[in-house]
Amino acid sequence: DVKVTQSSRYLVKRTGEKVFLECVQDMDHENMFWYRQDPGLGLRLIYFSYDVKMKEKGDIPEGYSVSREKKERFSLILESASTNQTSMYLCASRETGNTEAFFGQGTRLTVV
Amino acid sequence: AQSVTQLDSQVPVFEEAPVELRCNYSSSVSVYLFWYVQYPNQGLQLLLKYLSGSTLVESINGFEAEFNKSQTSFHLRKPSVHISDTAEYFCAVRNEGGKLIFGQGTELSVKP
Repeated sequence: DVKVTQSSRYLVKRTGEKVFLECVQDMDHENMFWYRQDPGLGLRLIYFSYDVKMKEKGDIPEGYSVSREKKERFSLILESASTNQTSMYLCASRETGNTEAFFGQGTRLTVV
Repeated sequence: AQSVTQLDSQVPVFEEAPVELRCNYSSSVSVYLFWYVQYPNQGLQLLLKYLSGSTLVESINGFEAEFNKSQTSFHLRKPSVHISDTAEYFCAVRNEGGKLIFGQGTELSVKP
């Protein structure tokens, strides 16, 4: 069974902290994505990666960076968390040439 | 840039009534279209997809969607909803660059 696992369901961090959100997939997919989900705005793409060590900016990359050192793991980094980054974060993966993306359960991040 | 518009943010409906969730996308040469469902406190799951061929696509739980190229729409329908269909529904389009672009989401609330 396909699986995308996000390391935390809920996180509370302080303003200015460096925050790591981890995502692991067990399907050997080349493509991985980070979205944030906010009420009334749907899902907005932050960053995506189509191969190890490769990354592309999405629609809202400001304040975020990513790391993909291994094929199965894609990390989202908030260099200095701010309250406007309080949100639900969703990771997804997809095989190249395939159309379906598989999502993790999400991480609800609260920055106080 | 490609965009997706879901015309209704909330749709309340009584059990066993029909429902239509509307989705329009900005025109493109070729698109792949999707509907995802998110049950409370869960990640997104693929409900159905249009890649090519028949413009009417169906899911295993009774939903269907019709691709209408002239109206750039991909509305989701179900003739008779159940309480268990209560969820948030997202329409998405995959562009030629491989990004998945989401609409704002529609909350379907089925009441007894």
